[in-house]
Amino acid sequence: GQNIDQPTEMTATEGAIVQINCTYQTSGFNGLFWYQQHAGEAPTFLSYNVLDGLEEKGRFSSFLSRSKGYSYLLLKELQMKDSASYLCAVMDSNYQLIWGAGTKLIIKP
Amino acid sequence: GAVVSQHPSWVICKSGTSVKIECRSLDFQATTMFWYRQFPKQSLMLMATSNEGSKATYEQGVEKDKFLINHASLTLSTLTVTSAHPEDSSFYICSARSRETEAFFGQGTRLTVV
Repeated sequence: GQNIDQPTEMTATEGAIVQINCTYQTSGFNGLFWYQQHAGEAPTFLSYNVLDGLEEKGRFSSFLSRSKGYSYLLLKELQMKDSASYLCAVMDSNYQLIWGAGTKLIIKP
Repeated sequence: GAVVSQHPSWVICKSGTSVKIECRSLDFQATTMFWYRQFPKQSLMLMATSNEGSKATYEQGVEKDKFLINHASLTLSTLTVTSAHPEDSSFYICSARSRETEAFFGQGTRLTVV
């Protein structure tokens, strides 16, 4: 079957760095997405990786290893507003999105 | 966890025809549903937000007469792409939430207009 695994919850300190991991097993691969979702709001797009390596966008970076079925989202200089859920999703060979359950990130002062 | 079912997962239609995409929340009552559109390698673009029993709120630049959204019940919302053209070819995805839950996503629908 197809599945996406990511930790349920993580806690980090304001100003620190946190890495949210995502492992996947899907039938085919057409890219991996990371989304941020604040409670009660629609998710917002953070990043898209289709080739191996690191994509950096300001304080957020996303890494992909297709051979390992692994990705991570790296958040630097954490701010209180980064408290949210982070969703990992993989597009399979049929161009369907397979979603992880999300990682709830709690930022403490 | 909560399940949102989107149907069909892919569809090919002729230019000028209309296509309906369904989004169902299977085990919870979805008071709000979101419809997104995604072009290859681009971000998910919110098209509209619909609350059960009321008219959808469309994002700026989205043609409400072209993309008809109906949210007639707490478990079903539909998106109808009217008079489809090749430029409407895209990946459409819905998500649904209740007042107590976060949004859960459907599997997406790949629309190809030929």
